[in-house]
Amino acid sequence: SYVLIQPPSVSVAPGQTASITCGGNNIGSKSVHWYQQKPGQAPVMVVYGNRGRPSGIPERMSGSNSGNTATLTISRVDAGDEADYYCQVWDSSSDHVVFGGGTKLTVL
Amino acid sequence: EVQLVESGGGLVQPGGSLRLSCAASGFTFSSHDMHWVRQVTGEGLEWVSGIGSAGATYYLGSVKGRFTISRENAKNSLYLQMNSLRAGDTAVYYCARVQLDYGGYDFWGQGILVTVSS
Repeated sequence: SYVLIQPPSVSVAPGQTASITCGGNNIGSKSVHWYQQKPGQAPVMVVYGNRGRPSGIPERMSGSNSGNTATLTISRVDAGDEADYYCQVWDSSSDHVVFGGGTKLTVL
Repeated sequence: EVQLVESGGGLVQPGGSLRLSCAASGFTFSSHDMHWVRQVTGEGLEWVSGIGSAGATYYLGSVKGRFTISRENAKNSLYLQMNSLRAGDTAVYYCARVQLDYGGYDFWGQGILVTVSS
């Protein structure tokens, strides 16, 4: 079955740029979606289709996808960005949705 | 405004059954695929099941044969019938709407807790 690998944690100082990676075999051929989840809340989509941004999501959040790695980039990080982030794809070979294990973003 | 509201969760003994419901509003329910995603406390997101707008169904291997997803478009409702429940099924269950063009989950319910314990 298809596996997505994310680093368990990423730390960044306020105002800096955070990059959260999502590794998978030839993930560049898939459409990757990213979600932000804060404690006690439901997930919220922050990037769809590799680089699309839903209404209301700041331009500071952006996505890219190539080769074996998709990346969520958050520029000018602030305390409000502290959350868990998950990548997700549809695996057509198994007709399953696959999530990465999640990355906890800590703002120092 | 799009809203998804889950109900039907609670405490059930191992081997028991529960039926989750998700009431949808604010959009054309029949046009969208709908899925269930669960999350064990303190852990990551896990996809459980999905149903297409035309009725095709998909299941995580560990729930196949025990869980049944269905929809009732006339009532704008999604369901998850869960039988032969195990302790490992204990989690918060979310219903989620699949966006039309890109396949991601653009709206989520608030989640409902299912606890399987004796």
